[in-house]
Amino acid sequence: GENVEQHPSTLSVQEGDSAVIKCTYSDSASNYFPWYKQELGKRPQLIIDTRSNVGEKKDQRIAVTLNKTAKHFSLHITETQPEDSAVYFCAARGRGGGADGLTFGKGTHLIIQP
Amino acid sequence: ETGVTQSPTHLIKTRGQQVTLRCSSQSGHNTVSWYQQALGQGPQFIFQYYREEENGRGNFPPRFSGLQFPNYSSELNVNALELDDSALYLCASSLDSGDEQYFGPGTRLTVT
Repeated sequence: GENVEQHPSTLSVQEGDSAVIKCTYSDSASNYFPWYKQELGKRPQLIIDTRSNVGEKKDQRIAVTLNKTAKHFSLHITETQPEDSAVYFCAARGRGGGADGLTFGKGTHLIIQP
Repeated sequence: ETGVTQSPTHLIKTRGQQVTLRCSSQSGHNTVSWYQQALGQGPQFIFQYYREEENGRGNFPPRFSGLQFPNYSSELNVNALELDDSALYLCASSLDSGDEQYFGPGTRLTVT
């Protein structure tokens, strides 16, 4: 089955700086890559996603890049703000569609230092 | 916030007991997926229901079972509870199988 590795496990950045979280996946058939933000005690919130026919996707201060050859995708957050502090999860899903379920990484705890 | 709701919020059970968790999907969504999230870990896929049929399952034993009703709400049943079943159980609804998944707030299950 699919395996998703996520790094780093903790990331501390100064407010206003950029943050990058990286994930790799094992199944070359995977074709959907969402990112979720989870604040303490709250539900995971979908913040951005991409499919395997898109190399880069942006939404205001966040962007996701995908390298299918390397089986690698990344989340970029620019101009970080205190409210960006949370745990971020990457995930991947195979060509079976929803029936495959999402395979999640172990999460990155992003800390924004004032 | 999503329109996905779950009940109950918290639950405490004893090892060996059975539990039923409930999920109401977002209006118009016909697919519900269930995940188990242990403390400090990412969610793990249990199974998915699409139009009242199980159409995908992760690496969980048969004592984890589910149902989906005609209104697309869903239940997760766990029999013979074990201590390791203590976790946050999340459901996610999507417009259709393969679409974006939106999570509910979860049910925190503690097994003693």
